Amino acid sequence: DVKVTQSSRYLVKRTGEKVFLECVQDMDHENMFWYRQDPGLGLRLIYFSYDVKMKEKGDIPEGYSVSREKKERFSLILESASTNQTSMYLCASSKRVGQVGSPLHFGNGTRLTVT
Amino acid sequence: DAKTTQPPSMDCAEGRAANLPCNHSTISGNEYVYWYRQIHSQGPQYIIHGLKNNETNEMASLIITEDRKSSTLILPHATLRDTAVYYCIVRLPPSNDYKLSFGAGTTVTVRA
Repeated sequence: DVKVTQSSRYLVKRTGEKVFLECVQDMDHENMFWYRQDPGLGLRLIYFSYDVKMKEKGDIPEGYSVSREKKERFSLILESASTNQTSMYLCASSKRVGQVGSPLHFGNGTRLTVT
Repeated sequence: DAKTTQPPSMDCAEGRAANLPCNHSTISGNEYVYWYRQIHSQGPQYIIHGLKNNETNEMASLIITEDRKSSTLILPHATLRDTAVYYCIVRLPPSNDYKLSFGAGTTVTVRA
């Protein structure tokens, strides 16, 4: 089974802190994604990466950056945390674009609270 | 992506089959039907996907009508652990556009 592991289930940070969310997948997937999920807004794509050191902005990249130095690891960075970044953060991975199906496999999420 | 319509909620008795409908009347010829579910406080979980033919895996079966305007996800023997929100999504396969929109889904409650 595909396993996508997010380093923390719950995090509490203060406004202005730099926050690192880590995600590791064990299925050699090329694509990795960061979403946030908020009530009434559904899933929104922050960034995704289709290869090592490659990244693309999603719908809401402002205030975030990402790093993909190794194929299995994709990190989300909140440069200066703000209260409106309180949310559930979900990491996902999938096979390379071009392979039929390519469903997303999600981690269990990190619930971040910024105070 | 084609829009989907699902009932907001449904109950199911433990051990019985759960049949979850989804309407996608504007689906185009090369769009796939995907099903995901999300158990409370967990990330979404991929269940199954299909294009035209019925599909079955260890979790569920997917029945797609001949005109592809609707589909049904079948959980053959529902358990309490199947209580979750189930999302039906229609989208093109491999695409760089992973702006996945789950919509409201169907809240399935499995009762003992």
